Amino acid sequence: EAQVTQNPRYLITVTGKKLTVTCSQNMNHEYMSWYRQDPGLGLRQIYYSMNVEVTDKGDVPEGYKVSRKEKRNFPLILESPSPNQTSLYFCASSHDRVNQPQHFGDGTRLSIL
Amino acid sequence: AQSVAQPEDQVNVAEGNPLTVKCTYSVSGNPYLFWYVQYPNRGLQFLLKYITGDNLVKGSYGFEAEFNKSQTSFHLKKPSALVSDSALYFCAVREEYGGATNKLIFGTGTLLAVQP
Repeated sequence: EAQVTQNPRYLITVTGKKLTVTCSQNMNHEYMSWYRQDPGLGLRQIYYSMNVEVTDKGDVPEGYKVSRKEKRNFPLILESPSPNQTSLYFCASSHDRVNQPQHFGDGTRLSIL
Repeated sequence: AQSVAQPEDQVNVAEGNPLTVKCTYSVSGNPYLFWYVQYPNRGLQFLLKYITGDNLVKGSYGFEAEFNKSQTSFHLKKPSALVSDSALYFCAVREEYGGATNKLIFGTGTLLAVQP
């Protein structure tokens, strides 16, 4: 089954404790992206990757890092999480970034205390 | 700059009645337009897209959307709503030739509530 898998689905942690949210897709997609969803703001892009070893900032990259060492994986790293990063996070992938629909994971709800 | 607006936070409709979820956009060039649906505790699922061609686009689950260039709108419609259509709906837009910085911009979402 074609899917985008995120882990963990839920995480409560404390300020400053490094965390990684993993994302993996099994569709051989080139393009991957991370979004955060906040009430009243819709989805905002954090980082995206056009292919292996090619990443770039989205609209709200501050406080986040990503890597793309393999085509299928695109982890999101919070080196020193802060409460304003409490949000619902989605990973997405597609064959290209222009006119193909994106496939989304089921989301990761992060609470930073 | 690209932008997309969903003017209604919530739309209420009775089961069996037609529904419309509104979306307007702003881009410099030709738009690529998408509708996604989000069910509770799930990621967004693709419903339909307009790239070029016929202004009336048909998608999944009986939904359709009409592209109106003069009104810069891409409203989502369904002739007969089901209770199971209740969900959060997102409109998204991208420019046709936006270059390397071209992004998919999402609206703030419209909650559709279908009453039995």
